[in-house]
Amino acid sequence: GEDVEQSLFLSVREGDSSVINCTYTDSSSTYLYWYKQEPGAGLQLLTYIFSNMDMKQDQRLTVLLNKKDKHLSLRIADTQTGDSAIYFCAETFTGGGNKLTFGTGTQLKVEL
Amino acid sequence: EAQVTQNPRYLITVTGKKLTVTCSQNMNHEYMSWYRQDPGLGLRQIYYSMNVEVTDKGDVPEGYKVSRKEKRNFPLILESPSPNQTSLYFCASSLSSLFNSPLHFGNGTRLTVT
Repeated sequence: GEDVEQSLFLSVREGDSSVINCTYTDSSSTYLYWYKQEPGAGLQLLTYIFSNMDMKQDQRLTVLLNKKDKHLSLRIADTQTGDSAIYFCAETFTGGGNKLTFGTGTQLKVEL
Repeated sequence: EAQVTQNPRYLITVTGKKLTVTCSQNMNHEYMSWYRQDPGLGLRQIYYSMNVEVTDKGDVPEGYKVSRKEKRNFPLILESPSPNQTSLYFCASSLSSLFNSPLHFGNGTRLTVT
């Protein structure tokens, strides 16, 4: 079955870049997503990438996909205190319809 | 404003007392789904619905029921809640059931069963 893994915690200084990593096992992934969850709130879609793309950039966010290694990363440039949150990667896969398989989430803490 | 609305936000109940968590979306989305979030496990799908009167089990459906009588509403029913159903629940919707249709999430319902 499909499995998505993330490291649990990441701490960075304000102004630095953050890189949040994710690995997945399902080779039939179609789309890969990054969601942000702030305390007491739902999940906010940040960005997503189609599985035949290597990179996608959207303002301060850069998504890199290494399909051979089944590795996805989210880089946040110039990290701000407002970026402190839990970040989830998720995938959909061939035959799964719109079902998202989520990672366990990475808690990003931005320090002054 | 386009949104997915869940009610209530917080709920404390006792074992065996039936409850319903409501979910409504105003985006005319076909696809709706329920997830539960538990520490260290991420989010797991409970049930989903691809359209009115069409529902199916997700990965963790035991102890839950759903219905989809209207397009906008997708309530989650716990007939006899147990403490292992204490969790944070999210409803989500998307335009279609195709895998390239991003999910929009509600703000969550925190359920405690004692």
